[in-house]
Amino acid sequence: GDSVTQMEGPVTLSEEAFLTINCTYTATGYPSLFWYVQYPGEGLQLLLKATKADDKGSNKGFEATYRKETTSFHLEKGSVQVSDSAVYFCALGGPSGGSYIPTFGRGTSLIVHP
Amino acid sequence: NAGVTQTPKFQVLKTGQSMTLQCAQDMNHEYMSWYRQDPGMGLRLIHYSVGAGITDQGEVPNGYNVSRSTTEDFPLRLLSAAPSQTSVYFCASSYLSGEVAEAFFGQGTRLTVV
Repeated sequence: GDSVTQMEGPVTLSEEAFLTINCTYTATGYPSLFWYVQYPGEGLQLLLKATKADDKGSNKGFEATYRKETTSFHLEKGSVQVSDSAVYFCALGGPSGGSYIPTFGRGTSLIVHP
Repeated sequence: NAGVTQTPKFQVLKTGQSMTLQCAQDMNHEYMSWYRQDPGMGLRLIHYSVGAGITDQGEVPNGYNVSRSTTEDFPLRLLSAAPSQTSVYFCASSYLSGEVAEAFFGQGTRLTVV
């Protein structure tokens, strides 16, 4: 079945550092790929998405490119802020076993220090 | 916009008690799902529904029941609570746009079973 693998955290950075969170996936067909973010005490919310190979999703300074050849969707940000501290989930969505319920990775906690 | 509404936000149960976690969405989404979130385990799918009257099991369904009598509501029932069910529960709804399934989450229910 479909699956998503994320790098384990926590990832600890200083403010203005460069961020990369790795995500790779296994899927049949051509899924869409997502990054969701969960701020402390809240539910998940969509950060960005890409629907086909070589698409780049971007939002709030975060970017991720859908790489079909490496089955990856790594999240990057050039300069993180303390307010970016959260848990980040990579996910894939699209036809999977006949349903359209997204499959999530385990999440990566990001801690940004001033 | 209400989106996905979960109630209650917090609950403490004694072992063996039963309860229902409520989930309602006002976006007319076809797909709804329940996840539990535990430290180091990410999001695990409990049950899901692809439409009114249709439900199916996810990765960790034991100890939980669901029903979907309307498009809007998808309650999760714990028949006899156990300490292993202490977790944060998230309800999500998702819609299909082309081949893309994007999920919207509630704020979560933090359940403690003592």
